[in-house]
Amino acid sequence: GAVVSQHPSWVICKSGTSVKIECRSLDFQATTMFWYRQFPKQSLMLMATSNEGSKATYEQGVEKDKFLINHASLTLSTLTVTSAHPEDSSFYICSATELAGGPDTQYFGPGTRLTVL
Amino acid sequence: GEDVEQSLFLSVREGDSSVINCTYTDSSSTYLYWYKQEPGAGLQLLTYIFSNMDMKQDQRLTVLLNKKDKHLSLRIADTQTGDSAIYFCAERTSGTYKYIFGTGTRLKVLA
Repeated sequence: GAVVSQHPSWVICKSGTSVKIECRSLDFQATTMFWYRQFPKQSLMLMATSNEGSKATYEQGVEKDKFLINHASLTLSTLTVTSAHPEDSSFYICSATELAGGPDTQYFGPGTRLTVL
Repeated sequence: GEDVEQSLFLSVREGDSSVINCTYTDSSSTYLYWYKQEPGAGLQLLTYIFSNMDMKQDQRLTVLLNKKDKHLSLRIADTQTGDSAIYFCAERTSGTYKYIFGTGTRLKVLA
């Protein structure tokens, strides 16, 4: 089946630094990738939708200058948390839709846990 | 507005059936999903149903849909300790990519 990977699986960084998280579709081409964040014991909240080769669409309340998304190829999207602060600590999950599969074939990555000290 | 709601906790004994409930917002054309999330892990798709269906069964899993009440349930037969996890229902309107997730139900299976 289709597999989505994320790297790193967890990261600890100091306040003020930037952190990049990668999301890859391993065995399929993804036209669209999604970034979610999940706070402890809470649901997933969609942050942004990214399409290959174009600018990401951010959900209301998500700062585009703080959460930079790049979707340079059909198999890779990156989320960069710039000038991270402790309140950015969260579990970040990406998902991807398959090029030929239609909108119901969305596959989720294993998540990246970010802790900002 | 868009909203998906679930009960927060469920505790069952091993071997019993578990029923996890979810309510969703109105849409004439919607996919409804059930995902499982184990501690520190991503989401695993368990099953999904289209809103014109009443029921779907897949091994130990049975999904029931009450369109009138916009109520979705997931029944797990012969619940095992490995089923302990958080279960999310999610709604997606046909033709769109956006998922709306519920708050998640934490299932605890007692040995």
